Amino acid sequence: ELKVEQNPLFLSMQEGKNYTIYCNYSTTSDRLYWYRQDPGKSLESLFVLLSNGAVKQEGRLMASLDTKARLSTLHITAAVHDLSATYFCAASTTSGTYKYIFGTGTRLKVLA
Amino acid sequence: EPEVTQTPSHQVTQMGQEVILRCVPISNHLYFYWYRQILGQKVEFLVSFYNNEISEKSEIFDDQFSVERPDGSNFTLKIRSTKLEDSAMYFCATLVQGHTGELFFGEGSRLTVL
Repeated sequence: ELKVEQNPLFLSMQEGKNYTIYCNYSTTSDRLYWYRQDPGKSLESLFVLLSNGAVKQEGRLMASLDTKARLSTLHITAAVHDLSATYFCAASTTSGTYKYIFGTGTRLKVLA
Repeated sequence: EPEVTQTPSHQVTQMGQEVILRCVPISNHLYFYWYRQILGQKVEFLVSFYNNEISEKSEIFDDQFSVERPDGSNFTLKIRSTKLEDSAMYFCATLVQGHTGELFFGEGSRLTVL
């Protein structure tokens, strides 16, 4: 059964600093997604990673996928307060029903 | 931009009552999902639905839950006899087959069971 784990669960960082959120998944999956959730809101798609070695960047966020290690990372460069949110990764099963399993989430707080 | 629409945005109900949550998927999407998020916790898979039948369901999706697409547009989640622990945000999500596989989420329906 597909399981997805993230770490850290909580991250408090100063503005201007860099940090990485890690997402591990347990079985073969060739698709990995990153979402952002603001308090009381829905999930907003950030990145779709569809193959080994895929790297996507948007502003201060960069996501990568290593399917051999079953690991995806979300790197934050020079954090700003507006990045404060909860970030979820999700992996999908590769056959049949396209079931998407979400990680535990990383609550990021960027301190001014 | 097309979006997934959910109603109601918030529903308060008494324990033991039936609740129906509604979702209007994006028109050309073929796969439909319900997820649940208890306040401050992870996003949990409930059920997936394709071609007018359940594709897969989780252990959470027991006999008190059901889904249907009664009129070809709305996709509904029914909770037959609500419990206190059903209080959560329920998200509908949809997917286009053969696209990037990106799930599009609705704004959610907050269910409060008293």
